[in-house]
Amino acid sequence: DGGITQSPKYLFRKEGQNVTLSCEQNLNHDAMYWYRQDPGQGLRLIYYSQIVNDFQKGDIAEGYSVSREKKESFPLTVTSAQKNPTAFYLCASSGRGSNQPQHFGDGTRLSIL
Amino acid sequence: DAKTTQPNSMESNEEEPVHLPCNHSTISGTDYIHWYRQLPSQGPEYVIHGLTSNVNNRMASLAIAEDRKSSTLILHRATLRDAAVYYCILSGGSNYKLTFGKGTLLTVNP
Repeated sequence: DGGITQSPKYLFRKEGQNVTLSCEQNLNHDAMYWYRQDPGQGLRLIYYSQIVNDFQKGDIAEGYSVSREKKESFPLTVTSAQKNPTAFYLCASSGRGSNQPQHFGDGTRLSIL
Repeated sequence: DAKTTQPNSMESNEEEPVHLPCNHSTISGTDYIHWYRQLPSQGPEYVIHGLTSNVNNRMASLAIAEDRKSSTLILHRATLRDAAVYYCILSGGSNYKLTFGKGTLLTVNP
């Protein structure tokens, strides 16, 4: 089945460590996105990529980094510079154009030990 | 980014219709109106979107005001599985960005 796969579902990080969240899609979508969601809040955009080898900062990019070397993959690294990384992280993809719906993965829940 | 305003919560009974309102008075001519819903601990799910005309799909209907400053998501017969947070979002321009607010928490009573 076509879709978006995020792994792992749960992730624990020690203080000062970088950690990478995986996001893979087989929908042949050009655009991919990373969002962060805190309890009781809506989603906030971290980074997005409209095409391979290109990406832009979203509203809360500080402390995060991404790469887009392949169309189907858009990994997110949470660096030690992110002071409050505990959150629910969601990856999405879409076709090109503002009328294209975004398809979301099931999320990764990151916690600090 | 153009903003939307939704009620924090709404309640409905099972098998009754539900009308979820959204105000977007600063919408631009090229903004699409999108609706997503999210169940606890899951990613959002696309429901429906439109530009000017009313839209129907298997999940819901979208009624857009003539001046486009408001819209209503209509669930024709609510089920317990429809209990979720519903987000109304505007998307336009060339960057495909979606800005999620807090949405409306829909409770469906059996």
